[in-house]
Amino acid sequence: SQQGEEDPQALSIQEGENATMNCSYKTSINNLQWYRQNSGRGLVHLILIRSNEREKHSGRLRVTLDTSKKSSSLLITASRAADTASYFCATDEKAGSYQLTFGKGTKLSVIP
Amino acid sequence: KAGVTQTPRYLIKTRGQQVTLSCSPISGHRSVSWYQQTPGQGLQFLFEYFSETQRNKGNFPGRFSGRQFSNSRSEMNVSTLELGDSALYLCASSPAGQGNTEAFFGQGTRLTVV
Repeated sequence: SQQGEEDPQALSIQEGENATMNCSYKTSINNLQWYRQNSGRGLVHLILIRSNEREKHSGRLRVTLDTSKKSSSLLITASRAADTASYFCATDEKAGSYQLTFGKGTKLSVIP
Repeated sequence: KAGVTQTPRYLIKTRGQQVTLSCSPISGHRSVSWYQQTPGQGLQFLFEYFSETQRNKGNFPGRFSGRQFSNSRSEMNVSTLELGDSALYLCASSPAGQGNTEAFFGQGTRLTVV
């Protein structure tokens, strides 16, 4: 079953703009991760944030986590055409569990 | 280091047949998980193996099974295929034991049941 929803389902922006995607989940979590998927291929891990962290950065990516609202956001700054992909959040619910529960994803299109 | 390798990449089967998919994890990774991805249900967890033992299982019928070998390679099997089993099947490996549940995914096997 799906853990929650990503919002929006689809997002279209111009190259150079920032893209923000949101994710909500239903249960308490251990970690929350974001993955990227290009055209039905494998998923690529972007960033992991632990339940006791509130914000994390990696290059052009910024992730926030609000456990009181059971939500997370992924910000991609200065987007590029190569960022065009689907983005998924995934949660695991207990330490040492490798069972990930994914959201439905946001399809991002970056127009050159 | 080689990534996660899944074979075959594409497969077409007939209803009622069975199929076996293979996954070779990243060297040194002991945890292997399988996921099914469909347009309607999204990404759904099938099962996870660690040291040849199934540790977690998703909500799928018994037609879906898997195993892991001593070299951490894993196979999943689907028996009595149904049209609804058409999907992208993704395998992921994790280093395990480090508290970091980051998963490294293969390119997937696209199964079409006709």
